[in-house]
Amino acid sequence: SQKIEQNSEALNIQEGKTATLTCNYTNYSPAYLQWYRQDPGRGPVFLLLIRENEKEKRKERLKVTFDTTLKQSLFHITASQPADSATYLCALGHNAGNMLTFGGGTRLMVKP
Amino acid sequence: DAGVIQSPRHEVTEMGQEVTLRCKPISGHDYLFWYRQTMMRGLELLIYFNNNVPIDDSGMPEDRFSAKMPNASFSTLKIQPSEPRDSAVYFCASTPTGLLGNTIYFGEGSWLTVV
Repeated sequence: SQKIEQNSEALNIQEGKTATLTCNYTNYSPAYLQWYRQDPGRGPVFLLLIRENEKEKRKERLKVTFDTTLKQSLFHITASQPADSATYLCALGHNAGNMLTFGGGTRLMVKP
Repeated sequence: DAGVIQSPRHEVTEMGQEVTLRCKPISGHDYLFWYRQTMMRGLELLIYFNNNVPIDDSGMPEDRFSAKMPNASFSTLKIQPSEPRDSAVYFCASTPTGLLGNTIYFGEGSWLTVV
């Protein structure tokens, strides 16, 4: 069955460091992958989209890589700040419509 | 735009009661999704609509759950009768037709507790 795995344990890092979150998937051939941020008590908010034919995408301090051979995406936040503390969700989509399948999310804590 | 609007934000109900959750998608968005989020199962897609027509309801857990979209600006998710295991956050989301991989915009969720 399709499976999307994100590290369920919280990631604690020091302010200013680079945070790297992992999204692994099996039994899935996504056409694209998205990353969302979710704050407590709020809905997920879109951050970045990367398509299957793209290796890397950047947006300000964010960088996403997508390796369809390894079936893995890495999400990086450089120069992390306490305000980056949140849960980050990866989501995979395929060509049949705009359906997304979400991973369980990883909670990031950036300490000052 | 006000974004995706959901109501109620919080609901506490007794087991066996009917629950109706409401959603107003972003104007002009052709796709509407209902998701459920729990600690155990994460964010799960329940059903989605395209141009008010249900496309995939394979995620709806049981016959107790039903969803409708009578027009482009309104959708409901109904649970009848409700059970304690239905306690979760229910999100509505919408996206416009167009490029594959369009951003999906989520509402703030309806927090349901069934006691």
